[in-house]
Amino acid sequence: GNSVTQMEGPVTLSEEAFLTINCTYTATGYPSLFWYVQYPGEGLQLLLKATKADDKGSNKGFEATYRKETTSFHLEKGSVQVSDSAVYFCALIQGAQKLVFGQGTRLTINP
Amino acid sequence: NAGVTQTPKFQVLKTGQSMTLQCAQDMNHNSMYWYRQDPGMGLRLIYYSASEGTTDKGEVPNGYNVSRLNKREFSLRLESAAPSQTSVYFCASVQGQGSKGGGYTFGSGTRLTVV
Repeated sequence: GNSVTQMEGPVTLSEEAFLTINCTYTATGYPSLFWYVQYPGEGLQLLLKATKADDKGSNKGFEATYRKETTSFHLEKGSVQVSDSAVYFCALIQGAQKLVFGQGTRLTINP
Repeated sequence: NAGVTQTPKFQVLKTGQSMTLQCAQDMNHNSMYWYRQDPGMGLRLIYYSASEGTTDKGEVPNGYNVSRLNKREFSLRLESAAPSQTSVYFCASVQGQGSKGGGYTFGSGTRLTVV
């Protein structure tokens, strides 16, 4: 079945550092890929998405590119802020299936 | 504000007690979902409802029941709570089933502790 694997956390960075959170997936065909963010005490919010190979999703300075050849959708940001501290989830959906999540990566940004 | 509303936000139960988690959405979405979130395991699907009047099991349905009361409301019931059901529960909705665009809207969660 479909699955998503994220890099182990937690990740701790200093403000203005470069961020990469790795995400790889297993699926047949061409799923849609997503990054969701969960701020403390809140539900999940869609951060960005890509629905076909080589698409780049972007939002709030975050980017991720759908790489079919490496089955990856790594999340990147050039300069993180304290307000980016949250848990980040990579997810996929395919056809009429349900949203499948990775295990989540907790990110803490120190000033 | 439009969105998904979950109640209660926090609950402590004793082993064997029952309770119902409520979820309501006001976006006229067709599909609704219940997930549980556990440390290191991401979100796992418990039950879902593709449309009013239909419900189906997800990845971890044991110990739970659901009711799609109408298009707006989708409740999750624990008949006899167990400590293994200690978790954070999220309700979500989306316009169509399996939407390629994603567009899932999540509630803010119910933190349940079973002692």
